[in-house]
Amino acid sequence: GAGVSQTPSNKVTEKGKYVELRCDPISGHTALYWYRQSLGQGPEFLIYFQGTGAADDSGLPNDRFFAVRPEGSVSTLKIQRTERGDSAVYLCASSSSPSDTQYFGPGTRLTVL
Amino acid sequence: SQQGEEDPQALSIQEGENATMNCSYKTSINNLQWYRQNSGRGLVHLILIRSNEREKHSGRLRVTLDTSKKSSSLLITASRAADTASYFCATDGGGDYKLSFGAGTTVTVRA
Repeated sequence: GAGVSQTPSNKVTEKGKYVELRCDPISGHTALYWYRQSLGQGPEFLIYFQGTGAADDSGLPNDRFFAVRPEGSVSTLKIQRTERGDSAVYLCASSSSPSDTQYFGPGTRLTVL
Repeated sequence: SQQGEEDPQALSIQEGENATMNCSYKTSINNLQWYRQNSGRGLVHLILIRSNEREKHSGRLRVTLDTSKKSSSLLITASRAADTASYFCATDGGGDYKLSFGAGTTVTVRA
């Protein structure tokens, strides 16, 4: 079946603007994760959803970052008042359960000018 | 924070040769996973090895795990140009759903 999809694939915005990044997980996967990957580094955990609720948002860097998953499927990562340091690739992953393999989407490359 | 560390940081080999990279981690794990990433975009899952397993194979890939040394290795046999990518190990911190990744090993396979 279809894998994890993310839109947009690239997003260029100006400092101070608001952005939304979308993730469509694999159908039937109840667990959904967001990671952020800076250049030359491995992905770093941001937030984990089990169903509709954010079970762990300890990786969100500050309160400018927020994510939702209102119907337990699609998730949106929202970043307010973007800063240049937010520039990175934002990766979404999903799994059938928290202990199973996480399958990643192609990522959204965010560039804040 | 990143728990895993891959070694070496970069590897350049001739097509047909084997490539070996290592991963060390710090805390106990339930499982360890290896991923491949092309051009800094989505990660492709390669192999998951559980803490009670010592070796696992998938096609040209062989993964070993030594929990006493907190280390794992990934061997790619008979490498191809298409294997050129960055390879990451990811650990689950003892059953944690949060994967911790190292900085990766960049593999270049020369034709």
